[in-house]
Amino acid sequence: DQQVKQNSPSLSVQEGRISILNCDYTNSMFDYFLWYKKYPAEGPTFLISISSIKDKNEDGRFTVFLNKSAKHLSLHIVPSQPGDSAVYFCAASEGDGNEKLTFGTGTRLTIIP
Amino acid sequence: DVKVTQSSRYLVKRTGEKVFLECVQDMDHENMFWYRQDPGLGLRLIYFSYDVKMKEKGDIPEGYSVSREKKERFSLILESASTNQTSMYLCASSWDRGYTFGSGTRLTVV
Repeated sequence: DQQVKQNSPSLSVQEGRISILNCDYTNSMFDYFLWYKKYPAEGPTFLISISSIKDKNEDGRFTVFLNKSAKHLSLHIVPSQPGDSAVYFCAASEGDGNEKLTFGTGTRLTIIP
Repeated sequence: DVKVTQSSRYLVKRTGEKVFLECVQDMDHENMFWYRQDPGLGLRLIYFSYDVKMKEKGDIPEGYSVSREKKERFSLILESASTNQTSMYLCASSWDRGYTFGSGTRLTVV
């Protein structure tokens, strides 16, 4: 059973526009959520996170929104840049992100110049 | 910066071989993890460890074992490699609010 789902395997966005990546989860015990970015032949790198006590967290061009009642989170990238082209994974933890994570299947984002 | 080093970037092994994937981190982290990444399946947890000598099964431990004799080193062992273990293997150690991953080992079993 897939506890963390990213229903869009791919997404294409024009450079300068907003990219919105979505993630849904089913386990109500998840307490902490993270987004990772992965380039080919490299390990994922941490992007941004959010605790369940918040509904929004911002870091520069990246904002994560959490809707606990809907069990849904989204990552907004504004403005999108060519270097943002990568695979994005959302992940969830029952703890504080320090323990085992459950990952989604990933969304491949392509920024069109 | 935390560094997580995986000993090999690419490996080709034969079916039935015993395979060792090594991972070393340099920041004295307690927690270490092994994941595999496959297209359409995301990252799936194989094994993890919260302390030296301690190990816990993840979601897909079958066909694998691990060893953690020292805090900084976490090894993944494929007891008898099979073609369905062809994958990208990712090691990570965790810090306050997330993971640092190694660059990955692309293993092909022929």
